[in-house]
Amino acid sequence: DIQMTQSPSSLSASVGDRVTITCRASQSISGYLNWYQQKPGKPPKLLMYAASNLQGGVPSRFSGGGSGTDFALTISSLQPEDFATYFCQQSYNVPYSFGQGTKLEIK
Amino acid sequence: VQLVESGGGVVQPGRSLRLSCTASGFTFRNFFMHWVRQAPGKGLEWVALMSDEGSDKHYADSLKGRFTISRDNSKNTLYLQMNSLRAEDTAVYYCARRSRSCFPLCYYYMDVWGKGTAVTVTS
Repeated sequence: DIQMTQSPSSLSASVGDRVTITCRASQSISGYLNWYQQKPGKPPKLLMYAASNLQGGVPSRFSGGGSGTDFALTISSLQPEDFATYFCQQSYNVPYSFGQGTKLEIK
Repeated sequence: VQLVESGGGVVQPGRSLRLSCTASGFTFRNFFMHWVRQAPGKGLEWVALMSDEGSDKHYADSLKGRFTISRDNSKNTLYLQMNSLRAEDTAVYYCARRSRSCFPLCYYYMDVWGKGTAVTVTS
């Protein structure tokens, strides 16, 4: 099974900061990597699919990249609504797996 | 486009529960569907996937034999039958739609999620 590891597990940042969250797969998953945002008490929301493709309606300050085993989600200028938990997920093969999450908090 | 889960509740260890997920606003029979769960204060755990016609099913290794995914396309509904429940099955259970984009390889993602239904396993 493919293990997904995110770093950091938590991150404190300020509005306007640029932040990057990384995700590493235990084996190559090509570009089969998705990113989700989750706020407390809400279901996850798809941000990015196929590593670097922005889901419709997601602000352009979000970007993604990577291939193989190493991926990154970058928020270019944090907005108050971006403080949430972010998960990566591989869709290379079943069983699908998620990273453990990165909690982005206000500094 | 909406998914609504139901059927959660409080159940004793060893008992069974069946969750439902009713879809609306899209052609349910054309989509593969997932179940994903989240234990309190924890991350997301993929549970199961079912193909559009119901012929293909996949499960998390840790759940095989206890959980069964199924669907009724005539009712636009996905199910999760959970047997021999354990305390560690306590979680919010989400259903999610699998969509894909092909350019030209096809990439799969969960683009529509329900709000979830809570399952608590306790004596």
